[in-house]
Amino acid sequence: NAGVMQNPRHLVRRRGQEARLRCSPMKGHSHVYWYRQLPEEGLKFMVYLQKENIIDESGMPKERFSAEFPKEGPSILRIQQVVRGDSAAYFCASSHGTGWTDTQYFGPGTRLTVL
Amino acid sequence: GNSVTQMEGPVTLSEEAFLTINCTYTATGYPSLFWYVQYPGEGLQLLLKATKADDKGSNKGFEATYRKETTSFHLEKGSVQVSDSAVYFCALTQGDNDMRFGAGTRLTVKP
Repeated sequence: NAGVMQNPRHLVRRRGQEARLRCSPMKGHSHVYWYRQLPEEGLKFMVYLQKENIIDESGMPKERFSAEFPKEGPSILRIQQVVRGDSAAYFCASSHGTGWTDTQYFGPGTRLTVL
Repeated sequence: GNSVTQMEGPVTLSEEAFLTINCTYTATGYPSLFWYVQYPGEGLQLLLKATKADDKGSNKGFEATYRKETTSFHLEKGSVQVSDSAVYFCALTQGDNDMRFGAGTRLTVKP
């Protein structure tokens, strides 16, 4: 049973470009969470999605960031017009059950570098 | 709001030393508490968890006890190995509130 898959593992973008990060949850999991980790810091929650629904986006910046989890295919975190401050590791997690108390399984992360 | 505070690192120990990484939390009611471990270049892995007061989570020789009276969930291991070198994160979740992580504690174990 494959774990949570994220791609790409490393992504380099120039300021003003778009970044697309993909996350495939574990088989049988329908809940996906995105987190951002700045260097030497803990993870900060961004958004929680179920298939075709955003459940909680309280941690998402109001501009330039969006997320989706379509009926088919991976979850996508999209960052438009990237700036240097977006450089971070972005982790996706998935869970089987509902709510925050179900165990989350994390992917290996995508390390975004904005030049 | 809910939050987690864990001891600052880095922590450097010799192999077979005793490990304690302190974690205290702020929350109303009874949150669920977690320890995650992050090895270099990898994502977080759940190490152990406890969902109610006085519960003890344990895994791979690591233990942590949910102490309501001191709002703590300290991570301990009796004898660390070089392979335990990683960053350790304390986290909590409660009800419909998102998971909150501590800043992480980097552990280096030297042979």
